[in-house]
Amino acid sequence: DAKTTQPTSMDCAEGRAANLPCNHSTISGNEYVYWYRQIHSQGPQYIIHGLKNNETNEMASLIITEDRKSSTLILPHATLRDTAVYYCIVRPDSGGGADGLTFGKGTHLIIQP
Amino acid sequence: EAGVTQSPTHLIKTRGQQATLRCSPISGHTSVYWYQQALGLGLQFLLWYDEGEERNRGNFPPRFSGRQFPNYSSELNVNALELEDSALYLCASIPGGPYNEQFFGPGTRLTVL
Repeated sequence: DAKTTQPTSMDCAEGRAANLPCNHSTISGNEYVYWYRQIHSQGPQYIIHGLKNNETNEMASLIITEDRKSSTLILPHATLRDTAVYYCIVRPDSGGGADGLTFGKGTHLIIQP
Repeated sequence: EAGVTQSPTHLIKTRGQQATLRCSPISGHTSVYWYQQALGLGLQFLLWYDEGEERNRGNFPPRFSGRQFPNYSSELNVNALELEDSALYLCASIPGGPYNEQFFGPGTRLTVL
């Protein structure tokens, strides 16, 4: 799987948009970008995923650059409950989960009141 | 709809003992993944069960084992506990594997003294 690089930590004011970047310059054509988050002492939570088009759901938006070498997760109106570690991973299509997910250190997003 | 449940929430053992951790997947999900998350480290894949069979295992010694029951619940056993086995053990379920959009339980915090 392609390696990803994320900032260690970020701050964002409550009510503002939180933009979390992820670099995945070695991503290959069949790999999707997935985002998960983990609130302290809880299990990870799936957020969103995409291949090359921008995606939006009730939690977030995912913007993938045209060359697919980087992406940005956007939480449009961050709340204190969004404080968590956010993980960006790249995976083959849905048939590629046989070896489970591997998370690195992720980005610790802190929402400030 | 009930989420993934895990028991116990916390487990304290001493070196050399055995630990048994349990997971109940979301109703209708037939596939279960087990992960280890040691303090300060990322998520590491342990085992994948699908339709009652072990389908894959991560880079862990054989003293980590498990099984999946006919009702799709699962059990993780760790024999001959070592201090470095202290970690959060997470279970995730999916409707059928392999798949990258996984639903995680709250985890079992295992402490080995």
